[in-house]
Amino acid sequence: QQQVKQSPQSLIVQKGGIPIINCAYENTAFDYFPWYQQFPGKGPALLIAIRPDVSEKKEGRFTISFNKSAKQFSLHIMDSQPGDSATYFCAASSGNAGNMLTFGGGTRLMVKP
Amino acid sequence: DAGITQSPRHKVTETGTPVTLRCHQTENHRYMYWYRQDPGHGLRLIHYSYGVKDTDKGEVSDGYSVSRSKTEDFLLTLESATSSQTSVYFCAIRIGTSGGQFFGPGTRLTVL
Repeated sequence: QQQVKQSPQSLIVQKGGIPIINCAYENTAFDYFPWYQQFPGKGPALLIAIRPDVSEKKEGRFTISFNKSAKQFSLHIMDSQPGDSATYFCAASSGNAGNMLTFGGGTRLMVKP
Repeated sequence: DAGITQSPRHKVTETGTPVTLRCHQTENHRYMYWYRQDPGHGLRLIHYSYGVKDTDKGEVSDGYSVSRSKTEDFLLTLESATSSQTSVYFCAIRIGTSGGQFFGPGTRLTVL
């Protein structure tokens, strides 16, 4: 049972474009929603995270939008660069469950020069 | 890598042999996790630990056991490796109370 659904599976944008990756969750007990960036051969790196008491969070060129009623959240990458080409994972966890992360299936992003 | 090392980084083994992967952290964090990553499945939690000798199962724990005899080390054991356990294994730690987890560099395991 996949509790976090991520789309699209792959995404190609031109440099400067704004790729958007979407995630939907089912478990209303989730209270922490991180995004991870992973380059080939490396471990996932925490990029940005949000809690459900805010609707948006920005860190540099990365923005999370959160819609609690729809149980959806998304990652926007402003002014995307070829160096942003990586696989992105959304995840969710609950503090009542040992903060075990449930991951989405991942989105492979390619930013063309 | 938040002071996390994994060993070995690569291993090839045969079906039926026991395998132990090691995760080592240098900062005395309480929570440690083992995930596996497979194409089409993202990352899935195998086991986690919330203290020395305190462990619990994750989503895909069948065929795996763990041990944590000291804070800095979290071991993942495949008692009798199978080809379905061919995967990349990541260890993670939780820093503070935010919920954020930080991952090690991974171990690529191939079971022939």
